[in-house]
This record gives sequence, structure tokens and C-alpha cells, in this order.
Amino acid sequence: AQSVSQHNHHVILSEAASLELGCNYSYGGTVNLFWYVQYPGQHLQLLLKYFSGDPLVKGIKGFEAEFIKSKFSFNLRKPSVQWSDTAEYFCAVLLTGGGNKLTFGTGTQLKVEL
Amino acid sequence: NAGVTQTPKFQVLKTGQSMTLQCAQDMNHNSMYWYRQDPGMGLRLIYYSASEGTTDKGEVPNGYNVSRLNKREFSLRLESAAPSQTSVYFCASSDLGEGMNTEAFFGQGTRLTVV
Repeated sequence: AQSVSQHNHHVILSEAASLELGCNYSYGGTVNLFWYVQYPGQHLQLLLKYFSGDPLVKGIKGFEAEFIKSKFSFNLRKPSVQWSDTAEYFCAVLLTGGGNKLTFGTGTQLKVEL
Repeated sequence: NAGVTQTPKFQVLKTGQSMTLQCAQDMNHNSMYWYRQDPGMGLRLIYYSASEGTTDKGEVPNGYNVSRLNKREFSLRLESAAPSQTSVYFCASSDLGEGMNTEAFFGQGTRLTVV
């Protein structure tokens, strides 16, 4: 069965620090990959997505992610975080050809301190 | 254009009671999903429907049933609620597929407490 692993469950950073959140998945076939963000009390919103082409994808609010197929990874990065980035971040994998099953990781709670 | 609409937003049930969570989307999407969100466990897929007329089990289907009433609506039913079903439930819809530059859109969530 496909699975998605997010290794960092809680991350605390100071403003202007760089961010990298790990995401690995277990599936050998073709996948579409996503990062979603959930601000306190809100529903999930898309940060960025990979479906084909350039493995380095850029999203909203200065976030980017790199798809490394050989490592089954899709890590999220931001060069300089802001207090407003405090939120929970979820990696998700769509198994293409698998009935459109969309599986999420357990999430990473990011707290950015002033 | 409302996107994905879930009702109710909040609900308190007694153990053993039944209820149906409603979800409707107005984006003409083929696929719809129900997730539950629990602290430290992320979003876990309960059931999904790749297209009208089909439904499939996700990771945690026990204690739930679903109905894809039509292309717009996908309901989740708890036949006999248990305290372990206390959670926040999210509905989502999409036209995801291989090579498709799309995303899943989420409803605002239903906070369910079973006492």
C-alpha cells in the first residue's frame, strides 16, 4: 500500500531562518505530489504541486519543492520564513492509475518565533 | 462559486446515535474524498469516489458508509457513533489524474464530538 512519511513532526524556527521539511513516499509507479498548508482554524490550501516536467516546482508565498524520483522524496523549502508561516504542512501523493487515491502524510507543525 | 460545501460545521452526538455528513461541490469534479483529521495523525482517507457511481475504501473505513448521490454530492454516514470517531472531518473534490495539472479542493470541515 502506498504511504507518505513526514519525518519532522514539530519544527520551531526563528524568523528569517531557512526551512526544509522532508517528505518521502513509497510507491514505484507514477505519482503526482502536493504540499498543502493549514493555518490555525482553517481548511487545507495548496502550496504547490508536481505532476510532470521540471522537478523543481515553485509555489505560493516563496515556497518551493524538489521531486527526486530516485529518492522517492519531495522536500519543501523556503529560504527565509516569516511569523505568518506558522501552520501545519502536509505532503500528499496521488497514485495515478490507482483510482485517484490521494494519500496524506502525518503533517509537520511549524512554529516561527519572532 | 462556493467550491466544496460541508454541513454541518459542528455536531455533538451521543454514543450509538447515527448521523450523515453532507458534502457538495460545484466544480464539476469527478473525484470526491472523505478524510478525518486527528492530532499527530494527519489526514486519513476514509472513503473516496473516483467518479459518479463508484466508491472505494480508504485507510480507515470501519464504522462509516458513503453514498455518491450524484456527481455533486458525496455523503458520509456514521451508523452507530463511537467516541473514537470524535474528529474533524474534511471533504475534498478534484479532477486529479496522471499528468493533470490540478489540485484537490477542501471543504471547511466538520468538527464532530461523540460523547
